[in-house]
Amino acid sequence: AQSVSQHNHHVILSEAASLELGCNYSYGGTVNLFWYVQYPGQHLQLLLKYFSGDPLVKGIKGFEAEFIKSKFSFNLRKPSVQWSDTAEYFCAVKTDSWGKLQFGAGTQVVVTP
Amino acid sequence: SAVISQKPSRDICQRGTSLTIQCQVDSQVTMMFWYRQQPGQSLTLIATANQGSEATYESGFVIDKFPISRPNLTFSTLTVSNMSPEDSSIYLCSVRTSGRGNEQFFGPGTRLTVL
Repeated sequence: AQSVSQHNHHVILSEAASLELGCNYSYGGTVNLFWYVQYPGQHLQLLLKYFSGDPLVKGIKGFEAEFIKSKFSFNLRKPSVQWSDTAEYFCAVKTDSWGKLQFGAGTQVVVTP
Repeated sequence: SAVISQKPSRDICQRGTSLTIQCQVDSQVTMMFWYRQQPGQSLTLIATANQGSEATYESGFVIDKFPISRPNLTFSTLTVSNMSPEDSSIYLCSVRTSGRGNEQFFGPGTRLTVL
């Protein structure tokens, strides 16, 4: 069965620390990969996406992610986090032409001043 | 982009009743999706709603429990029928836009509490 795994459920960081969130998926075909963020009390927003091409993708707010096909991974990174990055982060995989997304369990990130 | 609104934003309902959630999009979209986010959990797809055809339900979800309408390209409803406390969740509408990136947008969600 297809699945999306996020390695950390909760991460607590200090401002200016670097962030890396792991995401692995199990699916043998062509995938489109996404990271979504949900700030407290707000909608889910798209941070970045990978469809094809350069496996290092840059998103909004200084986030980037690297697709490593051989590892079935799509890890999210930010070199220096801010307090405003406190949010829940979801990795998602689109596995069919309709656009259905399968989500990971989410990682709650708390950035302390 | 697509701007999505949902009504109601939240509701508290009694066991055994039904609630219909509305999703309105500011542009015409082909694909609309309904997700559920149970407390402390991730999003789970309930069904895909295409205009002019019956919704396609994911494993574990059935039409009798979650009937969906999709009368046009900008609107859909999800009904949660014969509710029980286990149905307490956030229900989200999502749309996929065509063109650049096939990006998927999410509505603000409807927070449902069943007593």
